Amino acid sequence: DAGVIQSPRHEVTEMGQEVTLRCKPISGHNSLFWYRQTMMRGLELLIYFNNNVPIDDSGMPEDRFSAKMPNASFSTLKIQPSEPRDSAVYFCASSFGQGAEKLFFGSGTQLSVL
Amino acid sequence: DQQVKQNSPSLSVQEGRISILNCDYTNSMFDYFLWYKKYPAEGPTFLISISSIKDKNEDGRFTVFLNKSAKHLSLHIVPSQPGDSAVYFCAASHAGSGYALNFGKGTSLLVTP
Repeated sequence: DAGVIQSPRHEVTEMGQEVTLRCKPISGHNSLFWYRQTMMRGLELLIYFNNNVPIDDSGMPEDRFSAKMPNASFSTLKIQPSEPRDSAVYFCASSFGQGAEKLFFGSGTQLSVL
Repeated sequence: DQQVKQNSPSLSVQEGRISILNCDYTNSMFDYFLWYKKYPAEGPTFLISISSIKDKNEDGRFTVFLNKSAKHLSLHIVPSQPGDSAVYFCAASHAGSGYALNFGKGTSLLVTP
């Protein structure tokens, strides 16, 4: 299995632009998670889906952030408009079952908003 | 509010010695604890876990200890190897949150030859 695949690996954009991060979970996994890593806050859970349905989005910073999972093999995290404070590494992870006992993480997207 | 805390940002240990990484948590509802390991430019990978019904779990060179009364867990690596140099994240979850993981900020371990 190829593991969790995220794209792009790096994204540099200017403040105010729309940013879309993409994730393909491991086939057969039915839970998908978006995390953000910063020096100040470590790894924060933004949102997670179970069977393509958003279960908890309380970690989404504000309305500028949105996430979708149109099918079991694809998810997006969108930031519109982006701001410099959104600069971070964004990780997607997937697991089997409702729990997150053992998450499998992608390699992350390094986002820089100038 | 950080519910899982790793108070040591970094740790340096000599090869062959024991590495002890510590983690504290505040939410008494947490019932499952995990350690993840992360190399640069990669995502975290699962290392070892422990349920709250146990106080110790061992897997090869890695042992996790849980002290529920103190809300504290630790990861022991014996013997430490240079390849263990990475960032280690402690994580905790409970059924009420759908087992979504709460992570600490991580401890960077450096094992020197």
